[in-house]
Amino acid sequence: QQPVQSPQAVILREGEDAVINCSSSKALYSVHWYRQKHGEAPVFLMILLKGGEQKGHDKISASFNEKKQQSSLYLTASQLSYSGTYFCGTGGYTGGFKTIFGAGTRLFVKA
Amino acid sequence: NAGVTQTPKFRVLKTGQSMTLLCAQDMNHEYMYWYRQDPGMGLRLIHYSVGEGTTAKGEVPDGYNVSRLKKQNFLLGLESAAPSQTSVYFCASSYFRGRGEQYFGPGTRLTVT
Repeated sequence: QQPVQSPQAVILREGEDAVINCSSSKALYSVHWYRQKHGEAPVFLMILLKGGEQKGHDKISASFNEKKQQSSLYLTASQLSYSGTYFCGTGGYTGGFKTIFGAGTRLFVKA
Repeated sequence: NAGVTQTPKFRVLKTGQSMTLLCAQDMNHEYMYWYRQDPGMGLRLIHYSVGEGTTAKGEVPDGYNVSRLKKQNFLLGLESAAPSQTSVYFCASSYFRGRGEQYFGPGTRLTVT
């Protein structure tokens, strides 16, 4: 079942912060985050494998609450280059190794 | 090191025609995937492979077939194209089973008229 991402879209000014949420109705063992720019392929940002794990990538970080079956992606001091669509992908305990992606969150950062 | 490549980049088909999309990776990855991407739908898994000679169905397999005769190649076939298969198709590969980064190819934009 597809994870639910929120918000669907967000507009930021350069330097502002944003949070993108990803929730699943199934128990999760992994959450992936990817960013896709228009007309390009998705690019890996990070993967979280343990409940409570937090990871960072420059000024982009993420957390994973296994109990709530949720993950959040934090973008701080946003830059113009952060614009794009962000996807979470979730791996459950059933269905093997398949990663199911959410519908995406479109982020636009303006100067 | 080219990573994941896809051919062709663009294709227009008439309803009922057939075609094969080729995906190749040079990273020696065991796992390969085919996704389709439609506006507002995210990436949906069509078929995947856990190794040479093996394939399995994903979320939306109907109307597609796949083959993995060589470890580095993963082919996606449309036997009788339909307008509903108009989409952008991405191939991806990964080293780890479900717990590792997926590397995506540049995509194939397919239009079925």
